[in-house]
Amino acid sequence: DIQMTQSPSTLSASVGDRVTIICRASQTISSWLAWYQQKPGKAPKLLIYKASTLESGVPSRFSGSGSGTEFTLTISSLQPDDFATYYCQQYPWTFGQGTKVEIK
Amino acid sequence: EVQLVESGGGLVQPGGSLRLSCAASGFTFSGYEMNWVRQAPGKGLEWVSYISISGFTIYYADSVKGRFTISRDNAKNSLYLQMNSLRAEDTAVYYCARAPTGIAAGDYWGQGILVTVSS
Repeated sequence: DIQMTQSPSTLSASVGDRVTIICRASQTISSWLAWYQQKPGKAPKLLIYKASTLESGVPSRFSGSGSGTEFTLTISSLQPDDFATYYCQQYPWTFGQGTKVEIK
Repeated sequence: EVQLVESGGGLVQPGGSLRLSCAASGFTFSGYEMNWVRQAPGKGLEWVSYISISGFTIYYADSVKGRFTISRDNAKNSLYLQMNSLRAEDTAVYYCARAPTGIAAGDYWGQGILVTVSS
């Protein structure tokens, strides 16, 4: 089975910061990688699919890149609404362990 | 408006059974792959099961294989998860998620339903 490893597990940042989260797959997954945002008590929200395609309605400050085994989610300028936990997911579905973005 | 509404959760004793339902509305249910995903309290997301549009292709996580059964009724716009031989480690919020063919991701999720396995 393919394992997904995210880093860091926790990230402390300030409003306006550029934030990058890394997701590594234990073997190549081409571009079948999605990113989700989850807030406490809420369902995950799809941000990006196929590694770099922005889901409709998601702000353009979110971007994704990568292929093969290494992928990144970047938030270009962190906003107050962005403090949440982020998960990567490969297909067939396996999730990373999550990255909590908290206020510095 | 796309809506996915889970039901059927609750408290069950170890070894017991529950059947979760996910009622879909606002879209053509028969045109989408579907998944169940769970999240144990304070933990990350764990994929549970997948079913294809026709229902002929089904996958399970190793942790539930042989105990859980996914099914769908396209005429009733509903997805199901029959959970048998429940264990304490199955305690989680269970989400159904819609997966458009070709994007390999869940674009709409239900609000989740809590399943607690405890004596």
